[in-house]
Amino acid sequence: EDKVVQSPLSLVVHEGDTVTLNCSYEVTNFRSLLWYKQEKKAPTFLFMLTSSGIEKKSGRLSSILDKKELFSILNITATQTGDSAIYLCAVTRGAQKLVFGQGTRLTINP
Amino acid sequence: KAGVTQTPRYLIKTRGQQVTLSCSPISGHRSVSWYQQTPGQGLQFLFEYFSETQRNKGNFPGRFSGRQFSNSRSEMNVSTLELGDSALYLCASSLDGPDDGTLEKLFFGSGTQLSVL
Repeated sequence: EDKVVQSPLSLVVHEGDTVTLNCSYEVTNFRSLLWYKQEKKAPTFLFMLTSSGIEKKSGRLSSILDKKELFSILNITATQTGDSAIYLCAVTRGAQKLVFGQGTRLTINP
Repeated sequence: KAGVTQTPRYLIKTRGQQVTLSCSPISGHRSVSWYQQTPGQGLQFLFEYFSETQRNKGNFPGRFSGRQFSNSRSEMNVSTLELGDSALYLCASSLDGPDDGTLEKLFFGSGTQLSVL
């Protein structure tokens, strides 16, 4: 059975700190790993990673995939209160069916 | 371009009733999928529709069903509601384009929060 495990489940930091969120997975015929940010209801797309070792960046956010060790990390530097959200990791075999982890609830205190 | 629209936003039902949720995908998106989100189980895949056909299905009982119309709009139905069906139901759409990852990049709606009493 496909499985995605995120850690930590919850994280509280101060504004300006750097955080690293982890996602490990077990999936047959892996195709891609995706990161989403869920602030209120609708998860919004952050990154899709398919190749190992290639960092994706968007502003203060970056992510990398290690297909050999079956994990990905999401880094957020110089955190702001607006980064407070649940961060979701999901994997797919290529079909529409995404398998999600439990999510990491990130709280940024001013 | 309008995003994924789900209606209603909130719904309160009692056990044994049935419910229908609606989803309008982003214009041009032909694939629509449904997910259930609960605090205990996280986001779980229900099913996916493309061109009015169910293409993928998750591990939910037959009480959960769906359909897609010719304009790509989709509905999800839950019959004989149980307390455990209380959840946020999220709809997502994506392009079913060439093999470049567009299929997996889902755009989510704001969901329907269903409470079963």
